[in-house]
Amino acid sequence: AQKITQTQPGMFVQEKEAVTLDCTYDTSDQSYGLFWYKQPSSGEMIFLIYQGSYDEQNATEGRYSLNFQKARKSANLVISASQLGDSAMYFCAMREGLTGTASKLTFGTGTRLQVTL
Amino acid sequence: NAGVTQTPKFRVLKTGQSMTLLCAQDMNHEYMYWYRQDPGMGLRLIHYSVGEGTTAKGEVPDGYNVSRLKKQNFLLGLESAAPSQTSVYFCASGEGDFGNQPQHFGDGTRLSIL
Repeated sequence: AQKITQTQPGMFVQEKEAVTLDCTYDTSDQSYGLFWYKQPSSGEMIFLIYQGSYDEQNATEGRYSLNFQKARKSANLVISASQLGDSAMYFCAMREGLTGTASKLTFGTGTRLQVTL
Repeated sequence: NAGVTQTPKFRVLKTGQSMTLLCAQDMNHEYMYWYRQDPGMGLRLIHYSVGEGTTAKGEVPDGYNVSRLKKQNFLLGLESAAPSQTSVYFCASGEGDFGNQPQHFGDGTRLSIL
């Protein structure tokens, strides 16, 4: 079974609108971390936001927020007020265990977001 | 602000040739990683290192070797390249075994095996 599932291969959103990118995960660990990365067409991987399994509040970083629903094992990325520069591939990743695991990440297959005028 | 630097950025090899990909980081990070990215499959961990002189296998280690002789460098070697190793390779580094610390990535190496 996949540990990280991103079910939306591609998404379109109009400029200035909000968009939610889905991510569900599978783990038996009580301690884990969830990361979102952005990969623009230029290819680099850019860290966006982190959510720990014990964090009581949803993470926010500027226009990015994470809708964390622990019981449903979902960690959806919400981008508010989309901009043309948000057009990119977005990856959800999980670290199982918060210590002693060499911080290894498991990635989902990604969602390609296209922002339109 | 170099961060993580990968060399080369592009390379074309013939089947059976060997080559080494170099990753250098200037953030004094303990942990380093090599991933490959294939269409529709996300990033998969090849090998990683938790400190100078250490290496360990990741999810897809076959056909690759690594070395971490210096803390700042992590080398990925292909001894006998195969077309199945055509991919984009990413190196990443991290501060250590702390839950909320992200990995920092290089810009990738696009490798084609003919």
